[in-house]
Amino acid sequence: KAGVTQTPRYLIKTRGQQVTLSCSPISGHRSVSWYQQTPGQGLQFLFEYFSETQRNKGNFPGRFSGRQFSNSRSEMNVSTLELGDSALYLCASSPRGAGGTDTQYFGPGTRLTVL
Amino acid sequence: AQSVSQHNHHVILSEAASLELGCNYSYGGTVNLFWYVQYPGQHLQLLLKYFSGDPLVKGIKGFEAEFIKSKFSFNLRKPSVQWSDTAEYFCAVRHYNNNDMRFGAGTRLTVKP
Repeated sequence: KAGVTQTPRYLIKTRGQQVTLSCSPISGHRSVSWYQQTPGQGLQFLFEYFSETQRNKGNFPGRFSGRQFSNSRSEMNVSTLELGDSALYLCASSPRGAGGTDTQYFGPGTRLTVL
Repeated sequence: AQSVSQHNHHVILSEAASLELGCNYSYGGTVNLFWYVQYPGQHLQLLLKYFSGDPLVKGIKGFEAEFIKSKFSFNLRKPSVQWSDTAEYFCAVRHYNNNDMRFGAGTRLTVKP
């Protein structure tokens, strides 16, 4: 079974631009979560989508948004990029996303650099 | 506030040494606990998880962890490390009924051959 895939793997943008990152979950998984990983803040939860609905949201500004499509693929968007948005953005998928015995599997991440 | 603490930022061991990485959490209610590993240049991989039952859980590559509820701890152990265990290790906690997972800051393990 193929793992979680994320595209693109690397991105370079300038301040003020916007960016869209994509995540394809493991086949059959319906929950997709997004995380931001930085050296200073570590791994921080952004949001989770399940059945095209945002179910949980972390403590990030409204510039960070996402969506999920009917095939469970997800995108996250960051508008008006700031230097501090430079990070590795990780996507994780799980079958049901309802906690319990659900386990998240991570993709390789998208490395975003904001200049 | 919910938080996860990993006490060791960087651990350096020689091959065959024993390993214990600490993880403490501050969380109300029933929790699920995880250890993930990130090898250099690779993505996060699940080492082991605890949902319920036996508090001593075994994972891949000879790792195990013990959940001690009274101490809010979930320490990772391995009796004898190998050079290939060089990686960053993350403890993660979530409330049992949602997927909002909180990670510790990570512990970088360097194993000298």
